[in-house]
Amino acid sequence: EAGVAQSPRYKIIEKRQSVAFWCNPISGHATLYWYQQILGQGPKLLIQFQNNGVVDDSQLPKDRFSAERLKGVDSTLKIQPAKLEDSAVYLCASSLVLVETQYFGPGTRLLVL
Amino acid sequence: AQSVAQPEDQVNVAEGNPLTVKCTYSVSGNPYLFWYVQYPNRGLQFLLKYITGDNLVKGSYGFEAEFNKSQTSFHLKKPSALVSDSALYFCAVREGNTDKLIFGTGTRLQVFP
Repeated sequence: EAGVAQSPRYKIIEKRQSVAFWCNPISGHATLYWYQQILGQGPKLLIQFQNNGVVDDSQLPKDRFSAERLKGVDSTLKIQPAKLEDSAVYLCASSLVLVETQYFGPGTRLLVL
Repeated sequence: AQSVAQPEDQVNVAEGNPLTVKCTYSVSGNPYLFWYVQYPNRGLQFLLKYITGDNLVKGSYGFEAEFNKSQTSFHLKKPSALVSDSALYFCAVREGNTDKLIFGTGTRLQVFP
């Protein structure tokens, strides 16, 4: 069974530029999560989708971050404009509905200069 | 609010010796607890979880964890450490009736040959 796929793996941009990350969850997983992991910290949930609907986006900085999951499968996370403090690893995870275990992708490491 | 604490930033152990990585939790209601491992430049890998039932939970790669309600702890253990176990370990708790995971700050395990 293929795992969660993410791209790109690494991205370097300058502040005020925009960037987008892509995630393809495990086949059949209706629930998809985006986490932000700042160096030295545990992951923090940014947004949770169930199918193509948003379940929780309470910690998403909506003035600069946006995410979508239009067909209930792939998802994109965008940052526009980026700030220095957005430098982090962005992790995508997926799970089956009503099953507690989340499975994570390899992450996208973002460096904002 | 739910939270987990990992009191040790780093744990050092010699190969072949038993290892323990500590986690304490604070929840209202019944805890759903998880352990994940993160290898360099990779996403989080699920190790094990406690939902209900037996207090000793067995997981991947020979790891196990003991749920202790009176001490509000969920320590990760392995009888005989391997150099390849060296990685960053995260404890997490599910928040309330949501799927949201709250992660600890992580403990770096270093196993010396």
